[in-house]
Amino acid sequence: GAVVSQHPSRVICKSGTSVKIECRSLDFQATTMFWYRQFPKQSLMLMATSNEGSKATYEQGVEKDKFLINHASLTLSTLTVTSAHPEDSSFYICSALGGDYNEQFFGPGTRLTVL
Amino acid sequence: AQSVTQPDIHITVSEGASLELRCNYSYGATPYLFWYVQSPGQGLQLLLKYFSGDTLVQGIKGFEAEFKRSQSSFNLRKPSVHWSDAAEYFCAVGNTNAGKSTFGDGTTLTVKP
Repeated sequence: GAVVSQHPSRVICKSGTSVKIECRSLDFQATTMFWYRQFPKQSLMLMATSNEGSKATYEQGVEKDKFLINHASLTLSTLTVTSAHPEDSSFYICSALGGDYNEQFFGPGTRLTVL
Repeated sequence: AQSVTQPDIHITVSEGASLELRCNYSYGATPYLFWYVQSPGQGLQLLLKYFSGDTLVQGIKGFEAEFKRSQSSFNLRKPSVHWSDAAEYFCAVGNTNAGKSTFGDGTTLTVKP
């Protein structure tokens, strides 16, 4: 149980285009999901908290117009990187909150490369 | 504010040797503590977690961790390391109300044959 998937696992796009990453909780409902960004050899940096049916809460320094988050259902949150640039290239990981202790279950990550 | 410190950036051990990865945390209440492992290009896999009860926690792959409140530590141990354990290890402390976790910077484990 408690499986979280991400799609796509890897994406390469041209500079200036937008990319959408999906995060799904497969066997449980998640009111809250989180989006992280991870640079090579570094830890996870929390970007935003995604709440079903309401606006996402962004961490300080994260551009909400750049990283659009939509949590339209209890099993799906999407992160759209708008007008992507090479500096947006990174590993993006989502997690969904669930379980008896309100813990995070992580997706496998999405590798974004912007050319 | 909660924080996590993993003092060792990189650790190298020989296969078959014992392992201890250090984790110190700062948190205002009883913490929820986690250890995750990440292989290159992969997501995070939960090794073990501490919420309450027995302070010695058993996890997957032969790992264990001990919560020591007096030392604000949650060190990860394994008695005999396998080559497949080479990976990045993250300690995290959780806020149960908000569900957020704060991660340490990670420790890279290299296993020598």
